[in-house]
Amino acid sequence: EPEVTQTPSHQVTQMGQEVILRCVPISNHLYFYWYRQILGQKVEFLVSFYNNEISEKSEIFDDQFSVERPDGSNFTLKIRSTKLEDSAMYFCASRGRTGAETQYFGPGTRLLVL
Amino acid sequence: AQSVTQPDIHITVSEGASLELRCNYSYGATPYLFWYVQSPGQGLQLLLKYFSGDTLVQGIKGFEAEFKRSQSSFNLRKPSVHWSDAAEYFCAASNTDKLIFGTGTRLQVFP
Repeated sequence: EPEVTQTPSHQVTQMGQEVILRCVPISNHLYFYWYRQILGQKVEFLVSFYNNEISEKSEIFDDQFSVERPDGSNFTLKIRSTKLEDSAMYFCASRGRTGAETQYFGPGTRLLVL
Repeated sequence: AQSVTQPDIHITVSEGASLELRCNYSYGATPYLFWYVQSPGQGLQLLLKYFSGDTLVQGIKGFEAEFKRSQSSFNLRKPSVHWSDAAEYFCAASNTDKLIFGTGTRLQVFP
């Protein structure tokens, strides 16, 4: 069964450093998402992406964040200058077009900012 | 504002007992509704979903959920819990694109 994959599974970085989180959505899917879950809290929407542009973003998704689909398979989330409060689990999700409202999630990348 | 509420933060049941996890939503119109499960250190796995039609939906792992419009609820049930069901359960809703999640219910199962 096709699945969403994410790399790395864990990343530790210093405050102020840039990080790129990578996702490979399900191959025939067209809509892509990033969510995050701060430890012990609920999953929060960050951004949705369709047709090579952002469809919607939350207030969390400020100028320090960007997303890109650099090729036909990868979908990345970049944090330009990480802060301590960016420490969280980041989930990528994708959905297709038909029957299309179900989002399928990857296993997540746990980011720790020191 | 749109919101999803899971009133129970933590539930403990004995293996073999029945289970009901509560979920209420607040939306302008009936949203699409989902239950996801998250095992420790894992991602989110879809258990079941409701879009329209039959208000009792069946999912994987023996779970079912019932949509009740009058109560704005979408409660998850399982008749007999197994130890492997111990996990965090999230209710989520969507009527645009993004999912809005509840705060989750942590299920603990005792032998």
